[in-house]
Amino acid sequence: KAGVTQTPRYLIKTRGQQVTLSCSPISGHRSVSWYQQTPGQGLQFLFEYFSETQRNKGNFPGRFSGRQFSNSRSEMNVSTLELGDSALYLCASSSTTSGSAGELFFGEGSRLTVL
Amino acid sequence: GDSVTQMEGPVTLSEEAFLTINCTYTATGYPSLFWYVQYPGEGLQLLLKATKADDKGSNKGFEATYRKETTSFHLEKGSVQVSDSAVYFCALWYNKLIFGAGTRLAVHP
Repeated sequence: KAGVTQTPRYLIKTRGQQVTLSCSPISGHRSVSWYQQTPGQGLQFLFEYFSETQRNKGNFPGRFSGRQFSNSRSEMNVSTLELGDSALYLCASSSTTSGSAGELFFGEGSRLTVL
Repeated sequence: GDSVTQMEGPVTLSEEAFLTINCTYTATGYPSLFWYVQYPGEGLQLLLKATKADDKGSNKGFEATYRKETTSFHLEKGSVQVSDSAVYFCALWYNKLIFGAGTRLAVHP
């Protein structure tokens, strides 16, 4: 069974640009979450999508957005990039079986550098 | 709000030494608790979990017990290996994972 796949793995942008990151969940998983990992703030929750609907959202500005498609693949977008957006963005998928809450399967991440 | 505090690293041990990484949490109610591990260059992997008080999660020789009285979920392993070198994250679940800052473990031969 293929794991969570994130693309691109690495990217470099300049301030003011926008970026789109993609995530393909494990087959059969309908929930996709995004987390930002930085040395200073650690791992922080961005948002979660389930069946194409945003189910939960973290405390990030509106520049951070996401969506989920009918095949459960998800994208997140960051507009008007700032230096502080440099981070590893992790996507995670999960099943919705009883008792599995919190059991997330993470991808390897997309490392974004903003210059 | 809900939060997780774990001991600062790095923790440096010799192979076969005993490992403890402390984790305490603050939460309303009794959330499920987790340990995730991040090996170099990889994403996070679930190591173990406990869903209610006094539950013990275990995997790959690691154990952690959900202690409601002390709001703790300390990670232990009796004999670490070089391959256990990684960053370990304690987390609680409340409609999302809330992570601790992570503890880097380095095991030397």
